[in-house]
Amino acid sequence: AQSVTQLDSQVPVFEEAPVELRCNYSSSVSVYLFWYVQYPNQGLQLLLKYLSGSTLVKGINGFEAEFNKSQTSFHLRKPSVHISDTAEYFCAVSYGSSNTGKLIFGQGTTLQVKP
Amino acid sequence: DAGVTQSPTHLIKTRGQQVTLRCSPKSGHDTVSWYQQALGQGPQFIFQYYEEEERQRGNFPDRFSGHQFPNYSSELNVNALLLGDSALYLCASSLIWDSFYNEQFFGPGTRLTVL
Repeated sequence: AQSVTQLDSQVPVFEEAPVELRCNYSSSVSVYLFWYVQYPNQGLQLLLKYLSGSTLVKGINGFEAEFNKSQTSFHLRKPSVHISDTAEYFCAVSYGSSNTGKLIFGQGTTLQVKP
Repeated sequence: DAGVTQSPTHLIKTRGQQVTLRCSPKSGHDTVSWYQQALGQGPQFIFQYYEEEERQRGNFPDRFSGHQFPNYSSELNVNALLLGDSALYLCASSLIWDSFYNEQFFGPGTRLTVL
């Protein structure tokens, strides 16, 4: 079955510290990978995406993620977080070689940045 | 350029009632997908519309139906509401014939509460 697992439901971290949010997906020949951020009472905003090519992907707000095919992971990282990064983060996967558009989301990780 | 808009923002219904949610896609987009996000969960794919037809469907009962109009806007209808239908309903739009992968842009959502 196609599934996405976000290994941490909550990640508390102090401001200016580095952070990693973990994501694993069920294996497939072809996948597209995404990280979205959701601020309170808002919709989803795309942080970054992996479609093909370089396995290190850079996104907005200083975030980056690395695609690891052998470990079926797509972990999100930021070297120094800010209070404003406090939000819910979702990893999402689109399976298959055709462009179906259907996204399968993980359960989400709450990033809590403390001063 | 207006992004994806949804109406209403909030809605309160009672069990057994019917509800209609509306979505206007981002300018230039022709495909609309609907997702249900229960509290504390990741979004789940309901269905996708293109050329006024349902193109894909997730694991949702027939109580959930939709429609797409010639101007690409869409409606989500839910009949015989259950308490478990309480959730944030997200609409996402995309352009189906994009060159590689059609990034989905999400609206702010409609918060449905069923009492």
